[in-house]
Amino acid sequence: QSALTQPPSASGSPGQSVTISCTGTSSDIGAYNHVSWYQEHPGRAPKLIIYEVTKRPSGVPDRFSGSKSGNTASLTVSGLQAEDEADYYCSSYAGSKSVVFGGGTKLTV
Amino acid sequence: QLQVQESGPGLLKPSETLSLTCTVSGGSIRSASSYYWGWIRQPPGKGLEWIGTIYYSGSTYYNPSLKTRVTIFVDTSKNQFSLKVNSVTAADTAVYFCARLEGFEYWFDPWGQGTLVTVSS
Repeated sequence: QSALTQPPSASGSPGQSVTISCTGTSSDIGAYNHVSWYQEHPGRAPKLIIYEVTKRPSGVPDRFSGSKSGNTASLTVSGLQAEDEADYYCSSYAGSKSVVFGGGTKLTV
Repeated sequence: QLQVQESGPGLLKPSETLSLTCTVSGGSIRSASSYYWGWIRQPPGKGLEWIGTIYYSGSTYYNPSLKTRVTIFVDTSKNQFSLKVNSVTAADTAVYFCARLEGFEYWFDPWGQGTLVTVSS
C-alpha cells in the first residue's frame, strides 16, 4: 500500500484556476470511485471538500471540483481566493477496507 | 452536530506505548450502520497516513505497515474509541487525528483538531 502521488506545491493568482493531481494505481484510484479530497489550514483539522470523485459536501463552494481519469484524480479550484491557500490531500479506498492518502500539495495563492 | 476530539499524553519515550482516546459528542458512536471510526496521523512536515479503522461492533482494519504494533478498540458505553501503538520510536512522532469514516464511500468527516505526540528520550 503506497501513498498516492501529489505535486508538493501548486500556485495561482486570485481569480485564476489551479488543478492538483493525485496519481495512484489500478488497485486504488483506478479501481474505485471512492476518491476524496481534504483541505487543511495550518493548525486546523482537515476538512472534507470532495468525495466520491466529484461530489461536494454541503457548504463547500462550487469553485471546488473533482474528476478522475484512469489512475489519476484531480482537484480543480476555480476563481482562486486568498482563503484557498492551504494544504490539500487526496485519499482513495484501496480495497480490503483500507485507505491510502496522498503526500499533500501546498497551494499558494 | 457531531464532533470528535482526541486526548492523551503528548510526550513519550522510545519503547513506550502510545495511548490516545477519541471522544464522540453530538451523536452516538453506534448511530448509523454505514459509519466507522478511524485514526490518521501526520508526521511533522509530512503527509497524512491512515492508521486504522474500527466499527462500533469492534471489527478492526489496520494499515499493513503498522498492523503489528497497533490496536484500536471501542467503548460504546463511553462513546469513545481508542488507539494504542506499541514500542514507539521517533518515527511515530506525529499529529494524531481521529475522524468518522463513511464506510460505503470511504470519506472522513468530521475530523478532530489533532493531538501532537512526540517520542523523545
